[in-house]
Amino acid sequence: SQQGEEDPQALSIQEGENATMNCSYKTSINNLQWYRQNSGRGLVHLILIRSNEREKHSGRLRVTLDTSKKSSSLLITASRAADTASYFCATVVYNQGGKLIFGQGTELSVKP
Amino acid sequence: KAGVTQTPRYLIKTRGQQVTLSCSPISGHRSVSWYQQTPGQGLQFLFEYFSETQRNKGNFPGRFSGRQFSNSRSEMNVSTLELGDSALYLCASSRGQGLNEQYFGPGTRLTVT
Repeated sequence: SQQGEEDPQALSIQEGENATMNCSYKTSINNLQWYRQNSGRGLVHLILIRSNEREKHSGRLRVTLDTSKKSSSLLITASRAADTASYFCATVVYNQGGKLIFGQGTELSVKP
Repeated sequence: KAGVTQTPRYLIKTRGQQVTLSCSPISGHRSVSWYQQTPGQGLQFLFEYFSETQRNKGNFPGRFSGRQFSNSRSEMNVSTLELGDSALYLCASSRGQGLNEQYFGPGTRLTVT
């Protein structure tokens, strides 16, 4: 079964607004990663947060990790139409090598 | 640096046939993983290879197999194709043993009729 569950499944916002996506997982992890996918193409890595980190920033992206609640959130600030895509969280489970276990994804639509 | 390349990009096969997909990782990356993406099941892990050795395998039937060559290029094979094998097959490479971020190729869209 999927390790990660994402919420919401779909999100529609206006340009300039912030978008928040949440991810929950089930077992101990080595790290958690967020990826973006445009229209059924390959995935693009956005950010990686290790299990001993609580927050990480990259440009307009902010990721938090709460290992006690087994959850993470991705915040995209000042959204642009070009941010329209599907966003996936993926966990690297402790002691299972580099296998990524993906959530079902959040489909983000940013309207100009 | 060139990104991950996958060939072919699109493929149409008939039930019962077999197919081989190819993946060339980013230069210097020794870890290659394969994923299947379908609307119903989402993104599912197939295999992970590092230095020609399979390190991890997902929950797929034995019809799905793979290998990695000494130059880190990888192939996956699906025998006796079923309609349910229609999917986007994604290959990803990473430095080290795959605990870092993975770089994905554009995928091979397989349609089984």
